[in-house]
Amino acid sequence: EPEVTQTPSHQVTQMGQEVILRCVPISNHLYFYWYRQILGQKVEFLVSFYNNEISEKSEIFDDQFSVERPDGSNFTLKIRSTKLEDSAMYFCASGDGEADSPLHFGNGTRLTVT
Amino acid sequence: EDQVTQSPEALRLQEGESSSLNCSYTVSGLRGLFWYRQDPGKGPEFLFTLYSAGEEKEKERLKATLTKKESFLHITAPKPEDSATYLCAVQASGGSYIPTFGRGTSLIVHP
Repeated sequence: EPEVTQTPSHQVTQMGQEVILRCVPISNHLYFYWYRQILGQKVEFLVSFYNNEISEKSEIFDDQFSVERPDGSNFTLKIRSTKLEDSAMYFCASGDGEADSPLHFGNGTRLTVT
Repeated sequence: EDQVTQSPEALRLQEGESSSLNCSYTVSGLRGLFWYRQDPGKGPEFLFTLYSAGEEKEKERLKATLTKKESFLHITAPKPEDSATYLCAVQASGGSYIPTFGRGTSLIVHP
């Protein structure tokens, strides 16, 4: 069964450094998402991406965040200058384009900012 | 504001002891309600989509039901491998289609 893959599984970085989290969505999916989950809290929406542009973003997704689909398979989330509060699990998800179809999630990248 | 509330926060069961998890939602209109399972350190794994009141879906020991205000995930004769966090997500009709997640119910099934 096709799956969403994310790398790395764990990233440790120092405050102020830039990080790039990578995702390979399911190949025939058209919609891509980033969510995050701070330890012990709920899964929170960050951004959705369709047709090579952001379709929706949350208040969390400020100027420090950016997303890109650099080629036909990868989808990346960049945090320009990490803060301690960015420490969380970051999940990539993809969907097939039907408005009410479920999202399929990767296993996440655990980001630790020290 | 759309809200999704799951209860209980945590549930401990003995193997074979059936129970139900609750997901209450307030949205202007429901497009879809999703149930996911999340194992520790993993991403949410899709289980069911429910669209309208009265609908039911089943998968092995799990059955999801939907009313106009809430959804239940019934677990019949659970096994230790059913231990996980179960997440509910709601997609509203009109406006944003982005699913909003509840905090989840952490289920532990003891052998």
